[in-house]
Amino acid sequence: DGGITQSPKYLFRKEGQNVTLSCEQNLNHDAMYWYRQDPGQGLRLIYYSQIVNDFQKGDIAEGYSVSREKKESFPLTVTSAQKNPTAFYLCASSGSGWEYNEQFFGPGTRLTVL
Amino acid sequence: AQSVAQPEDQVNVAEGNPLTVKCTYSVSGNPYLFWYVQYPNRGLQFLLKYITGDNLVKGSYGFEAEFNKSQTSFHLKKPSALVSDSALYFCAVRGLTGGGNKLTFGTGTQLKVEL
Repeated sequence: DGGITQSPKYLFRKEGQNVTLSCEQNLNHDAMYWYRQDPGQGLRLIYYSQIVNDFQKGDIAEGYSVSREKKESFPLTVTSAQKNPTAFYLCASSGSGWEYNEQFFGPGTRLTVL
Repeated sequence: AQSVAQPEDQVNVAEGNPLTVKCTYSVSGNPYLFWYVQYPNRGLQFLLKYITGDNLVKGSYGFEAEFNKSQTSFHLKKPSALVSDSALYFCAVRGLTGGGNKLTFGTGTQLKVEL
């Protein structure tokens, strides 16, 4: 998990609340990503950012929002519009030469909606 | 659209025996292929990748993978399994065209190594 931190490790949310998941990296990577992991479904891309102040929707962006104001940080907000937010959320980053460079993952945040 | 298939949800192997975790892919153009491992409640750890060159790629912890273009496969292998290899394994692919800056992951294969 080296170089990428996610907080909190566990997060509980009441229905109708927005919550923000933190992701910070000290690897000097340009690109950052958010994935959602559900049992038996692998990882699905929510949003990604290749450079500061720019980000792109992934495959399941509805109900989520992100910002990329600093190179080191890529927070994810899970809004009340996300109908089934309970999942394990993983943040990742990769260096220049994104085509062939592997992604480095954080330890994850497990979000549970009460 | 690019895709990855891991046909086995679970693979069981005895410690000391060779192991294979299967992966097939579909992508436009030449693929970039990756294997990751995940231990319970942890993030993914990179094992190895194929970009170009030798079809047999060696990675971390004694793992290797063989790229087979004609069969569009990238199976993960290890000559002698350890109990500590028990984990969830993901294959991923990135295509040179159409995939953008996105990795597509398979659904994962749970490896269980028993004494």
